[in-house]
Amino acid sequence: DVKVTQSSRYLVKRTGEKVFLECVQDMDHENMFWYRQDPGLGLRLIYFSYDVKMKEKGDIPEGYSVSREKKERFSLILESASTNQTSMYLCASSARPRSTDTQYFGPGTRLTVL
Amino acid sequence: SQQGEEDPQALSIQEGENATMNCSYKTSINNLQWYRQNSGRGLVHLILIRSNEREKHSGRLRVTLDTSKKSSSLLITASRAADTASYFCATDRTGGGNKLTFGTGTQLKVEL
Repeated sequence: DVKVTQSSRYLVKRTGEKVFLECVQDMDHENMFWYRQDPGLGLRLIYFSYDVKMKEKGDIPEGYSVSREKKERFSLILESASTNQTSMYLCASSARPRSTDTQYFGPGTRLTVL
Repeated sequence: SQQGEEDPQALSIQEGENATMNCSYKTSINNLQWYRQNSGRGLVHLILIRSNEREKHSGRLRVTLDTSKKSSSLLITASRAADTASYFCATDRTGGGNKLTFGTGTQLKVEL
């Protein structure tokens, strides 16, 4: 079974802090994704990557950056956290590059920015 | 607005009944997927239907796709309390790159 893990289930940070959210997948998938989920808005794509050191902006990249130094790991970085970044963050991966196969999701990180 | 919008937003049924959720979208797609999310957890893939398919089954799930109406439905037959979850459709827009666009979801509650 594909396993996608996220570094924390719950995280509380203060405004202005730099925040790192880590995601690791164990199935040698090419694509990795970061979404945020907010009530009434569904899932919105922040960034995705189809290869090591490659990244593409999703629908709401402002205030975020990403890093993919190794194939299995995709990090989401909030350079200076703000209260409007309080949300559930979901990481996902899928197998083939440049295709829309099934995505496998991690359990999510609920981030609160005070 | 979202590419995929589910209807209804919330649905409450008794165990054993069937549950039907609908998804409408705006642009041409290559495929449409349905996912389930248990409270506060990650999403789990249920089924994928391609644009040239009209109906697909998986266990107690039946998905239909009508590309002329830009809509899909997910039917869960003989529902169980364990089916209580949020259900999302996700579309792969033609020419949209290798991205999925998720709808806002239907919250299903199955009561004993």
